[in-house]
Amino acid sequence: DSGVTQTPKHLITATGQRVTLRCSPRSGDLSVYWYQQSLDQGLQFLIQYYNGEERAKGNILERFSAQQFPDLHSELNLSSLELGDSALYFCASSPPQGRVGYTFGSGTRLTVV
Amino acid sequence: AQSVTQLDSQVPVFEEAPVELRCNYSSSVSVYLFWYVQYPNQGLQLLLKYLSGSTLVKGINGFEAEFNKSQTSFHLRKPSVHISDTAEYFCAVSSNFGNEKLTFGTGTRLTIIP
Repeated sequence: DSGVTQTPKHLITATGQRVTLRCSPRSGDLSVYWYQQSLDQGLQFLIQYYNGEERAKGNILERFSAQQFPDLHSELNLSSLELGDSALYFCASSPPQGRVGYTFGSGTRLTVV
Repeated sequence: AQSVTQLDSQVPVFEEAPVELRCNYSSSVSVYLFWYVQYPNQGLQLLLKYLSGSTLVKGINGFEAEFNKSQTSFHLRKPSVHISDTAEYFCAVSSNFGNEKLTFGTGTRLTIIP
């Protein structure tokens, strides 16, 4: 157990639908990062939150959004799903600035049919 | 901006032979460097990291890596591989603040041949 919890582990949904992926960071970590891993794109950074605020954006589609709540857990919302959104979605967390470390969750495998 | 290049997409190696997985990075600032391993159908596990100090870093499972600033490289090595080392290996870089995103290479698939 890495300390970063992602739910659900697997998700199968139809095109056009909306899903929410959840991430609870390791205790004490303030940053949450979301990554998408697909066969053709590799590990792509989507978005980072730090203590509730959006810190950085990567290759995140407009159909995707995220937020980090006061208890520091984060949710990634994927809407109007397409077949190409099928991928493994990872969440990682890191401690406050000045300390270095990234811990990954075990991921959510999303299959869009 | 930072980037990572993993020069080999696939590396086949005989069991008990040595292996080196190559990683080069580019960054305009000082960096922190990482190697992660992903076993089939699993998440990312940290193998080792370079933050500062000694350029030779030892990690888990007998792996080590050497940071070479002049060549902007961080190659991963193991003197004798085992079947259980079959996995995908990712090199990653972060900025000197350490609280910014990890930028990953495209990965190297290590296949151990019995």
